[in-house]
Amino acid sequence: GIQVEQSPPDLILQEGANSTLRCNFSDSVNNLQWFHQNPWGQLINLFYIPSGTKQNGRLSATTVATERYSLLYISSSQTTDSGVYFCAVERTGGGSNYKLTFGKGTLLTVNP
Amino acid sequence: KAGVTQTPRYLIKTRGQQVTLSCSPISGHRSVSWYQQTPGQGLQFLFEYFSETQRNKGNFPGRFSGRQFSNSRSEMNVSTLELGDSALYLCASSLEDRDSYEQYFGPGTRLTVT
Repeated sequence: GIQVEQSPPDLILQEGANSTLRCNFSDSVNNLQWFHQNPWGQLINLFYIPSGTKQNGRLSATTVATERYSLLYISSSQTTDSGVYFCAVERTGGGSNYKLTFGKGTLLTVNP
Repeated sequence: KAGVTQTPRYLIKTRGQQVTLSCSPISGHRSVSWYQQTPGQGLQFLFEYFSETQRNKGNFPGRFSGRQFSNSRSEMNVSTLELGDSALYLCASSLEDRDSYEQYFGPGTRLTVT
């Protein structure tokens, strides 16, 4: 199946700092999503971005499908940004035994 | 529009019992997928249902099964529970429109097997 690698696994920031999270994947995809998992376990949709660039407030994301990676940018981080960020992909072409394949996540801690 | 709902939110069962979890997708969504999250294995795909048919299945034993009803609501069942089945079970729905495969997740059911 498709492989998804996220880096870094852990990231500690001071409030106000910027950060970049990376997601590498091993095959062409028709779906790439970034999620933030809240302390109660719910996955909050951040971006649906199989290609291109999107921005939503302090967050933005870029996916370069031809090079098989995606980046999530967090600017002016706040303590409420803390948590685990997941990248998940669905391989193009169907016939796969998997819907979304998730990376292991990046644990972000923002200190005041 | 209401989001994906899952019931129950928390469940405690004893080894050897069986359990049924329920998921109601976003209105109009026909695809429902189930995922298991554990600290050791992370988030893993269980199965997907579309128009009452299982369309994809992950690498889980036959003790894990599911079904989808005509109103797109889905249930998953785990028989003969093992301690290792303790996990957060997440359900997701998607519209399956050719322009978007975006999935939306419910709050999850946290299952503890003792």
